[in-house]
Amino acid sequence: ETGVTQTPRHLVMGMTNKKSLKCEQHLGHNAMYWYKQSAKKPLELMFVYSLEERVENNSVPSRFSPECPNSSHLFLHLHTLQPEDSALYLCASSKLEGDNSYEQYFGPGTRLTVT
Amino acid sequence: GDSVTQMEGPVTLSEEAFLTINCTYTATGYPSLFWYVQYPGEGLQLLLKATKADDKGSNKGFEATYRKETTSFHLEKGSVQVSDSAVYFCALSDRNGGSQGNLIFGKGTKLSVKP
Repeated sequence: ETGVTQTPRHLVMGMTNKKSLKCEQHLGHNAMYWYKQSAKKPLELMFVYSLEERVENNSVPSRFSPECPNSSHLFLHLHTLQPEDSALYLCASSKLEGDNSYEQYFGPGTRLTVT
Repeated sequence: GDSVTQMEGPVTLSEEAFLTINCTYTATGYPSLFWYVQYPGEGLQLLLKATKADDKGSNKGFEATYRKETTSFHLEKGSVQVSDSAVYFCALSDRNGGSQGNLIFGKGTKLSVKP
């Protein structure tokens, strides 16, 4: 149990659908992250939220829209996705302060398939 | 920029064999170093960490020593088990320069342990 939960664990959606991924952390952290993990590609950092403010957006297509309503919750809204967006989407959280080593704690991921 | 290089896989070992997975890094600051493990169908779990030179991280029989002189953080285990089969990721976090705690990951090394 890592203290970071993600729902749903599996999602199949058509290219015209709109869906949302949810992440919740119970660790008292102040930063949250979305990653994409595809077969045969390294982990890709998509978005970073620090103190509920988006601080990084790594050239992610606009069909992915993040939302961080508070320090414990992070969403990834999906619309008009492409088949190449099929991947494992991982959420992580971290506590950024002082001499902390900044390790991140990951959720189990959402396996997304776009048909 | 900062980077992490780890040995290509896959690595296949027999049970009770000795494991080494090499990891080297480049960083301009004073990074913390991590090993994460990903079991099939799951997210990443923090395996061990080291925050300064000569620190040794250890967990579940795995060890890695932060070697500043060789910029390395090799993962070792004296006797692997079938249950250690997973993908192992080396990562660094540079706490300087307002990095927002971003982790830089290696590409991952898949380990398969045969009975």
